[in-house]
Amino acid sequence: RKEVEQDPGPFNVPEGATVAFNCTYSNSASQSFFWYRQDCRKEPKLLMSVYSSGNEDGRFTAQLNRASQYISLLIRDSKLSDSATYLCVALRGEKLTFGTGTRLTIIP
Amino acid sequence: DAGVIQSPRHEVTEMGQEVTLRCKPISGHDYLFWYRQTMMRGLELLIYFNNNVPIDDSGMPEDRFSAKMPNASFSTLKIQPSEPRDSAVYFCASSLVAVNTEAFFGQGTRLTVV
Repeated sequence: RKEVEQDPGPFNVPEGATVAFNCTYSNSASQSFFWYRQDCRKEPKLLMSVYSSGNEDGRFTAQLNRASQYISLLIRDSKLSDSATYLCVALRGEKLTFGTGTRLTIIP
Repeated sequence: DAGVIQSPRHEVTEMGQEVTLRCKPISGHDYLFWYRQTMMRGLELLIYFNNNVPIDDSGMPEDRFSAKMPNASFSTLKIQPSEPRDSAVYFCASSLVAVNTEAFFGQGTRLTVV
């Protein structure tokens, strides 16, 4: 079993819609979590950290459920520019472990 | 700051040849990570350094792979001999401290072994 698992998608969503991704992690010792975004043929970039209390950054909301060991990302009022692959990331010790990513395409 | 710089951006080589990938981390960053990305396996951590010292190389696939960091501003990942299954995008990333801080990635080296 992979340490971080995501639905690979693809998710094809009309512009303006709300879309949610989930991610599960297997190692309860993971202490911090992040969402990274990767555009096609580009490098991953940090989108946001994920806090236990939940956190919001504009149209993006991240949630962490330690009891169930899952992380979620919600995107509201989706834009064409949100089309990318979203990588769920768990930090354990000094090591970042990435999920394989969920591919999102926003359709005009 | 120019960010993490990797070279070459693309490399095509024949099976059996030696390949050397290069990385210049962001100045002042203590950690340097080498990742490999494929469609099937996603991003896999190969090795990471703290203050130029290799800390964990458990992700290095086999003895054909080696990595060095002779100083704070330079690291190499070497594959010798290369095989077609090594074809992937290799990313270098650096961070100030590993815990709870952002990892900044280079643009990657797309390696094709034919």
